[in-house]
Amino acid sequence: EAAVTQSPRNKVAVTGGKVTLSCNQTNNHNNMYWYRQDTGHGLRLIHYSYGAGSTEKGDIPDGYKASRPSQENFSLILELATPSQTSVYFCASGEDWGGFDEQYFGPGTRLTVL
Amino acid sequence: GDSVTQTEGQVALSEEDFLTIHCNYSASGYPALFWYVQYPGEGPQFLFRASRDKEKGSSRGFEATYDKGTTSFHLRKASVQESDSAVYYCALGDGGADRLTFGKGTQLIIQP
Repeated sequence: EAAVTQSPRNKVAVTGGKVTLSCNQTNNHNNMYWYRQDTGHGLRLIHYSYGAGSTEKGDIPDGYKASRPSQENFSLILELATPSQTSVYFCASGEDWGGFDEQYFGPGTRLTVL
Repeated sequence: GDSVTQTEGQVALSEEDFLTIHCNYSASGYPALFWYVQYPGEGPQFLFRASRDKEKGSSRGFEATYDKGTTSFHLRKASVQESDSAVYYCALGDGGADRLTFGKGTQLIIQP
């Protein structure tokens, strides 16, 4: 069965600190995605990747970096965390079917920036 | 750019009521359309998709029909149950960038 895991599940960070959120998938999917979920905004795409070594900007990339060192792993990096980045973050993986493939989501990471 | 507009906020129903959550889209080309469901404390999960005009997608008693003329993909269920309480997201697939654009989500609350 498809599996996407995220770590940590909960994180409290201080303003100005560096935060790294990690995602691992065992689906052997080429594509991976990072979203944030906020009340009133739904799911918004931050960064995505087509494979190891590739990263693409989504709709709200400012303040975030992404890294895809391998097929299985995709990280989201907040170099200088701000309270506005307090949110729930979801990672997802999917096939490369040109927009017709379903995405498999992880359980989410709740990030609080104080 | 591509966008999805769906019923905003909450929909509150009683068990066995008929459900409709509206979804309209704006996109160039011919996107695939999706419904996802998210239960409390979990990530969203795929419900079903449709990829051409007049195609019906369905799963778990939910269904929606792709209507290119009205640019809609409304979610319907004939008789809801308490276990259907969740947040529902409509989404469209961008073939060029191989990514999804989601609506803002609709929270469905079913009272027993």
